[in-house]
Amino acid sequence: DTEVTQTPKHLVMGMTNKKSLKCEQHMGHRAMYWYKQKAKKPPELMFVYSYEKLSINESVPSRFSPECPNSSLLNLHLHALQPEDSALYLCASSQGPGTVNTEAFFGQGTRLTVV
Amino acid sequence: KNEVEQSPQNLTAQEGEFITINCSYSVGISALHWLQQHPGGGIVSLFMLSSGKKKHGRLIATINIQEKHSSLHITASHPRDSAVYICAVPRFGWDTGNQFYFGTGTSLTVIP
Repeated sequence: DTEVTQTPKHLVMGMTNKKSLKCEQHMGHRAMYWYKQKAKKPPELMFVYSYEKLSINESVPSRFSPECPNSSLLNLHLHALQPEDSALYLCASSQGPGTVNTEAFFGQGTRLTVV
Repeated sequence: KNEVEQSPQNLTAQEGEFITINCSYSVGISALHWLQQHPGGGIVSLFMLSSGKKKHGRLIATINIQEKHSSLHITASHPRDSAVYICAVPRFGWDTGNQFYFGTGTSLTVIP
């Protein structure tokens, strides 16, 4: 299994809603990432988890709250989002820090629309 | 200044044409990644290369580490090759965890 699976594929939420994005991989990877991608732009790194611990938070607003309950799962909890947060949210995984020249695997993304 | 520059930004080709996308980077790296993203979709890794040349089917990627330049070639292009192609390099030279600097992407449209 060489897949990163993200659910849901599409999500529409109001600004007062609470929702979660889910990401799963079963490749034994120990690094997992959340990226945000706006239309016609490259992905922007949001969070990095290494060995289930948050290692990087790229100054992301607190309305985005990541969680890594185990080595296979990564969640992104959303609360009180703004319309400008509408984007494609991509999850990725890789073998982990300390490994050299390893491939990154990306999920299909969750297309989020905040209304 | 962007650490990774790609050209062209947009490219339209007739089916069957030979296509080249270029990537230049300014940071020291051990490997460079070429990624493909179809409209509305996730990202697929096409190549990871640290020297020379790699080939998968009709796709060929080359890299010149000294000149900090890589190219992605598509031979006998097909409409299903229409996608955004992204060049990415590790933020930390020895790839501590695959955090990337991304190029701005090349949007390729192949017309039948």
